[in-house]
Amino acid sequence: EVQLVESGGGLVKPGGSLRLFCAASGFTFSDYSMNWVRQAPGKGLEWVSSISSSSSYIYYAASVRGRFTISRDNAKNSLYLQMNSLRAEDTALYYCARSGYSALYANDYWGQGTLVAVSS
Amino acid sequence: EIVLTQSPGTLSLSPGERATLSCRASQSVSGSYVAWYQQRPGQAPRLLIYGASSRATGIPDRFSGSGSGTDFTLTISRLEPEDFAVYYCQHYGASLYTFGQGTKLEIK
Repeated sequence: EVQLVESGGGLVKPGGSLRLFCAASGFTFSDYSMNWVRQAPGKGLEWVSSISSSSSYIYYAASVRGRFTISRDNAKNSLYLQMNSLRAEDTALYYCARSGYSALYANDYWGQGTLVAVSS
Repeated sequence: EIVLTQSPGTLSLSPGERATLSCRASQSVSGSYVAWYQQRPGQAPRLLIYGASSRATGIPDRFSGSGSGTDFTLTISRLEPEDFAVYYCQHYGASLYTFGQGTKLEIK
């Protein structure tokens, strides 16, 4: 069974940093691209960042570029998101999601999310 | 950057009725990279349709997707109580993902 479990969220002050984690199991992690998608309270879905299976290709939404860094460790079946210079508008539930060629790069599995709150 | 506009914002229907949800792209896109998701309250999104018309694993056949170019449609043939949720369309291309703003399907 495919499982994605996020952790690392919490309350942080504006300008602060946080590192999110996503633990993957039930599939060959190194075969898939991985993504972070966020959802502000009561709002829609916003793509944040993607990383290819071997970390060769990395992409960011304009809203986080230069502040967030995505990375992965295929040996540990883990995905990360380093978030720096956090702003109030970064407050959201952060999901990790898998994507692969089998679903034409749609996000076929999602975790339950980890909540990030940025407030003074 | 491609913008996806979903309509209507809210759709009020009764169980057993047919639902038609629209997703319009600001420019022509490849249907190969259009997907639809369902999100129930308090849950993570679930992939329903990818490649504009292919059902994801385990998705009932009352869900179908169609469209090309700039206009894409998600159809639910006969609504079940568990189908009342928020639906999002998504496009992947040019190294980024874009989501529509969502359509809320509510019980009439």
